[in-house]
Amino acid sequence: DIQMTQSPSTLSASVGDRVTITCRASQYISNWLAWYQQRPGQAPKLLIYKASSLESGVPSRFSGSGSGTEFTLTISSLQPDDFATYYCQQYNSYSWAFGQGTKVEIK
Amino acid sequence: EVQLVESGGVLVHPGGSLRLSCAASGFTFSTYTMNWVRQAPGKGLEWVSYISTTGTVYHSDSVRGRFTISRDNAKNSLYLQMNSLRDEDTAVYYCARGQVGSSYVIFQHWGQGTLVTVSS
Repeated sequence: DIQMTQSPSTLSASVGDRVTITCRASQYISNWLAWYQQRPGQAPKLLIYKASSLESGVPSRFSGSGSGTEFTLTISSLQPDDFATYYCQQYNSYSWAFGQGTKVEIK
Repeated sequence: EVQLVESGGVLVHPGGSLRLSCAASGFTFSTYTMNWVRQAPGKGLEWVSYISTTGTVYHSDSVRGRFTISRDNAKNSLYLQMNSLRDEDTAVYYCARGQVGSSYVIFQHWGQGTLVTVSS
């Protein structure tokens, strides 16, 4: 099964900072990668699909890139609403695994 | 507006059974793939089960043989039958819908979740 590894596990940043989260797949997954945001006490929300396609209604400060086995999620200017946990997920093949999550905290 | 409302989560003893339901509205239910995803307390997300529009199902290794996903398109409802429950099945269970026109296991819309607690 494909394993997904995110880094860092925790990230401390300030409002206005540029933030980058990395996700690595243990095998080639082409661009079948999604990113989700989960705020405390809420359900996850789809941000990015097919590695770089922005989900409808998601602010343009979010962007995704990468293909193959290495991917990044970038927030160009961190806003107060963005302090949350972010998960990557591969949907190339079974078992459609998530990364372990990256918590973005207020510095 | 897409709405997914889970129900059925309770406290159950190890070895017990439970059936979760997800009521869908705001879209043509029969034309979308559906999933269950869970999150243990303080932990990350784990995909559990998938059902396609034609009834093809997949389950994760951790629940295969114990859990069964099903759907009733006439009732716009998704179900998860959970048998032989274990302590490690304790989690919030989310119902999640796929993307339009896609059979891929990706989660475009999520319900608010229902808590299943397995404990003696």
